[in-house]
Amino acid sequence: AQSVTQLDSHVSVSEGTPVLLRCNYSSSYSPSLFWYVQHPNKGLQLLLKYTSAATLVKGINGFEAEFKKSETSFHLTKPSAHMSDAAEYFCVVSPLLIYNQGGKLIFGQGTELSVKP
Amino acid sequence: DTGVSQDPRHKITKRGQNVTFRCDPISEHNRLYWYRQTLGQGPEFLTYFQNEAQLEKSRLLSDRFSAERPKGSFSTLEIQRTEQGDSAMYLCASSLKVAGDTGELFFGEGSRLTVL
Repeated sequence: AQSVTQLDSHVSVSEGTPVLLRCNYSSSYSPSLFWYVQHPNKGLQLLLKYTSAATLVKGINGFEAEFKKSETSFHLTKPSAHMSDAAEYFCVVSPLLIYNQGGKLIFGQGTELSVKP
Repeated sequence: DTGVSQDPRHKITKRGQNVTFRCDPISEHNRLYWYRQTLGQGPEFLTYFQNEAQLEKSRLLSDRFSAERPKGSFSTLEIQRTEQGDSAMYLCASSLKVAGDTGELFFGEGSRLTVL
C-alpha cells in the first residue's frame, strides 16, 4: 500500500528564514510525488511534482523538493519564507500509473506553516 | 473564472436530511474527482468519473452517498439521511487524462457541510 507521512503537523518560521517541511513516503513501486498548498478559503493548488525525472524538483513561489529514494523522503524547502507562504501544505503520492489508472491521489495529514514577521 | 467551481460553499442541515452538492469542472477536463476533508486531516478519495462513467468508489462512500455525472460535464454528490459524522469539506477536482499523465488535479474551493 502507498502512503505518505508528514513528520510535523505544525511548523513556525520567521519571515526571511528557510522553510523545511518533511515528508516520507511508502510505496512498493516508483511513485509520483507532489506537494499541494491550501490557503484559507482557497482551493488546493499544486506546488510541484516529481515523476521520475530529475530528483530535485522546482515549483512555484520559490519552493523546491528533493526526491531521495534511499531515505524514502520528499522534503519541501524554500530558502526564505514570506508572509504569504503561511498555509497548509500536503505531501501527496500517486501510485504507479499502471496500478492507478484513475490518477487517484493519497494525501498526507498536512503541515500548517506559520510565518512570523 | 475558468477553474473548478462548487456549489453551495456552505451547507448547514439537520441530521436525517438529504443534501446535494454540485461541481462544475474545468470545461475541457474529462476526469472528475470527489474528496472529503475533515478537520486536521488531508483529503480522502471518495470517487472519480471519466466522462460520464463512474470508474472507482472508495469504501468511504457508503450507500447513503451517490454521485453522478450525467453528461460528462458537471457532477452532483448527494448524501441521504445525513449523520453528524458526514460533517466535512467536500472537495471536487478535475483533470485531463492524456498519455503519461501524472495525476495533476485542479481543485475547487470545496463545499463545507455541517450536520447538526
